[in-house]
Amino acid sequence: QLQLQESGPRLVKPSGTLSLTCTVSGGSISTPDYYWGWIRQPPGKGLEWIGNIYYSETTYYNTSLKTRVTVSVDTSKNQFSLKLTSVTAADTAMYFCAGIPVATNRNWFDPWGQGTLVTVSS
Amino acid sequence: VMTQSPATLSVFPGERATLSCRASRSVSSNLAWYQQKPGQAPRLLIYGASTRATGIPARFSGSGSGTEFTLTISSLQSEDFAVYYCQQYNNWPPYTFGQGTKLEIK
Repeated sequence: QLQLQESGPRLVKPSGTLSLTCTVSGGSISTPDYYWGWIRQPPGKGLEWIGNIYYSETTYYNTSLKTRVTVSVDTSKNQFSLKLTSVTAADTAMYFCAGIPVATNRNWFDPWGQGTLVTVSS
Repeated sequence: VMTQSPATLSVFPGERATLSCRASRSVSSNLAWYQQKPGQAPRLLIYGASTRATGIPARFSGSGSGTEFTLTISSLQSEDFAVYYCQQYNNWPPYTFGQGTKLEIK
């Protein structure tokens, strides 16, 4: 059973770079069956998809964040990562990682990591 | 754009709750529903508009296709009071979520 766990700094300074890692357990990140994605949720607000990566390093990004986002994968560590540059207070949010089945018409988010709250503040 | 209604729904325990999700253009049956409790990650309830995910009780049911979708929870239990989100995966990227419906105890 796949399990995901986010890790990384909880506090980032304005104009800095937010960096998070998601560790996948219970399966290989190199599986052809899943994309690996990031979703965020500002306090008290709804869910926003950030981006996906495939083990082959093919990436898909939300155009609203595309100029600031990089998602990468490290198959040797069974991890994928998120970098978000030039952060502002608006980037303060709970950040979730998730697995997304690859098969056509099966691209829902499951499983999810527990999430990690990242605050942008000086 | 995915639009959920109502924003908040107040229901007595034991009663039925009906939540709606509307897509701005057809998403076929490529729609999922999630439940989120405070401080937790969303949990997949329904995919393919009407298929319950593994371990989801039968009191949760989904219906609809195209642009109109419904999540029905029959006989509400105390643990069902949460926020519910719909998400389309027909036209991605991007994946888009509704803004959520908060189901609260009346």
